[in-house]
Amino acid sequence: AQSVTQLGSHVSVSEGALVLLRCNYSSSVPPYLFWYVQYPNQGLQLLLKYTSAATLVKGINGFEAEFKKSETSFHLTKPSAHMSDAAEYFCAVSGGSGGGADGLTFGKGTHLIIQP
Amino acid sequence: GAGVSQTPSNKVTEKGKYVELRCDPISGHTALYWYRQSLGQGPEFLIYFQGTGAADDSGLPNDRFFAVRPEGSVSTLKIQRTERGDSAVYLCASSYLAGGPADTQYFGPGTRLTVL
Repeated sequence: AQSVTQLGSHVSVSEGALVLLRCNYSSSVPPYLFWYVQYPNQGLQLLLKYTSAATLVKGINGFEAEFKKSETSFHLTKPSAHMSDAAEYFCAVSGGSGGGADGLTFGKGTHLIIQP
Repeated sequence: GAGVSQTPSNKVTEKGKYVELRCDPISGHTALYWYRQSLGQGPEFLIYFQGTGAADDSGLPNDRFFAVRPEGSVSTLKIQRTERGDSAVYLCASSYLAGGPADTQYFGPGTRLTVL
């Protein structure tokens, strides 16, 4: 079975500061990894995904994530936070059991708070 | 173009009643997924359709839950004898390819179900 752990249910950073949201995964097969963002009263929107090509993945809105197999991690970063980044962020994995063969297994999410 | 739409956006029902939740996927998307998101949790996989057939229903919690997709487009999630524990946001997603762990899933805004 596969699983995702997101460290920190809430992360608070100052506007302009580095954003780091942590994600560790467990999978018995080579994983496909995703980061989604959820704004209030909106659907989940894909930020970026890793599908076994480049280990450093660039996404929308200035976010990027690095796949590190040795650490089973896929942390999300952004060099400079903006007020509009305040939202709920979910890391997800697919490609194995637990979410259906093609369904996604999500972490519990991290609420990102941006301080002015 | 139009994204995934879900109706109703909110549904309040009484314990023991029957409910139907509808999902309209993006036109041309052959794969369709249902997830359930409880308060403070990440989405949890329920069922996955490839075309008209349920390719994987391993996430359905019990036999009170059932989903159909008779023409390979619109899907309906049906819940019989609702219980208070069924209260959650039900999310629908679709993807272009015929299912695959690397596919990007596009999510709808969800239906918030409240069982009194």
